[in-house]
Amino acid sequence: KAGVTQTPRYLIKTRGQQVTLSCSPISGHRSVSWYQQTPGQGLQFLFEYFSETQRNKGNFPGRFSGRQFSNSRSEMNVSTLELGDSALYLCASSLAGTSRNSPLHFGNGTRLTVT
Amino acid sequence: AQSVTQLDSQVPVFEEAPVELRCNYSSSVSVYLFWYVQYPNQGLQLLLKYLSGSTLVKGINGFEAEFNKSQTSFHLRKPSVHISDTAEYFCAGGMDSSYKLIFGSGTRLLVRP
Repeated sequence: KAGVTQTPRYLIKTRGQQVTLSCSPISGHRSVSWYQQTPGQGLQFLFEYFSETQRNKGNFPGRFSGRQFSNSRSEMNVSTLELGDSALYLCASSLAGTSRNSPLHFGNGTRLTVT
Repeated sequence: AQSVTQLDSQVPVFEEAPVELRCNYSSSVSVYLFWYVQYPNQGLQLLLKYLSGSTLVKGINGFEAEFNKSQTSFHLRKPSVHISDTAEYFCAGGMDSSYKLIFGSGTRLLVRP
């Protein structure tokens, strides 16, 4: 079974631009979560989607948004990029949302560099 | 507030020696706990999970962890490490219906020959 696929692997953008990251979950998984990983803040939860509905959102500004499609694929968008948005963005999928019976399976991430 | 604390940012150890990576959690995230490993330029891979029942949990690659409710700890152990175990290890916890994990800050395990 194929794992979680994130594209692209690397991105370089300029301040003020916007970016869209893509995530394809494991087949059969209906929940997709996004996390931001930085050296200073560690791993922080962005949001979680299940059946195209956002069920939880982390403490990030409105510039960070996401969506999920009917095939469970998800995209994350960051508008008006700032230098501090440079990070590894990790997507994770699970059967029904992270819980005791549904651990997260992570992709290899998209490394975003904002210059 | 929910929190997971990893007490050591880096743990150096010689090959074939035992190792323990420490993790403490706040009671609000004690519903279930995980350990993940991250190799360079990769995502996180699940090592093991504690849901309920036996307090000693066995995972992949010879790792195990012990859940201790009285000490609110979930330490990761391996009796004999290999060079290939060099990586960053994350402890994480969550609660049902929150749909998110709270991660510790990570511990870098450095195995030396």
